[in-house]
Amino acid sequence: GENVEQHPSTLSVQEGDSAVIKCTYSDSASNYFPWYKQELGKGPQLIIDIRSNVGEKKDQRIAVTLNKTAKHFSLHITETQPEDSAVYFCAAPNDYKLSFGAGTTVTVRA
Amino acid sequence: ETGVTQSPTHLIKTRGQQVTLRCSSQSGHNTVSWYQQALGQGPQFIFQYYREEENGRGNFPPRFSGLQFPNYSSELNVNALELDDSALYLCASSLEPGARSSPLHFGNGTRLTVT
Repeated sequence: GENVEQHPSTLSVQEGDSAVIKCTYSDSASNYFPWYKQELGKGPQLIIDIRSNVGEKKDQRIAVTLNKTAKHFSLHITETQPEDSAVYFCAAPNDYKLSFGAGTTVTVRA
Repeated sequence: ETGVTQSPTHLIKTRGQQVTLRCSSQSGHNTVSWYQQALGQGPQFIFQYYREEENGRGNFPPRFSGLQFPNYSSELNVNALELDDSALYLCASSLEPGARSSPLHFGNGTRLTVT
């Protein structure tokens, strides 16, 4: 089955700086890679996703890049703001389910 | 558009008891998946329901069971509760079964505590 590894586990950045989270996956057949943001007391919220036919996708201050050859994908958050503080999860599909990384706790310092 | 709603939000049960958690899928979504999220970890897949049948199952024992109703809402039942069952239980709905084509949209979960 799919194995997803996520790094780092914690990330502290100064407001206005960029944050980068990296994930690797094992199943070369995986073709869809979502990122979720989970705030305290809430469920994971889909913030961006990418399919294997593109290498990069942007949505305002967030972007995701995909390297299928190396089997890794990354989340980039630019101009970080206090409301970006949360736990972020990457995921990859395994047939009918998503396999999630262990999560990255991002703290944006004012 | 109504999102995924789960009830109850919190629940405390005693070891050995049984629990039922409920989920209403997002409007237009016909597939429901359930995930267990232990503290400090990523969600773990329990099972998926499509057309009122179990469409796939993760590594969870048979005491975890579910139902899907004609209106696509779903229930998760857990029998003979164990202390390790304490977790956040998340329901997610999607337009189609599987995980490669249709994004999952999660509810805010039910926090289950087993004492």
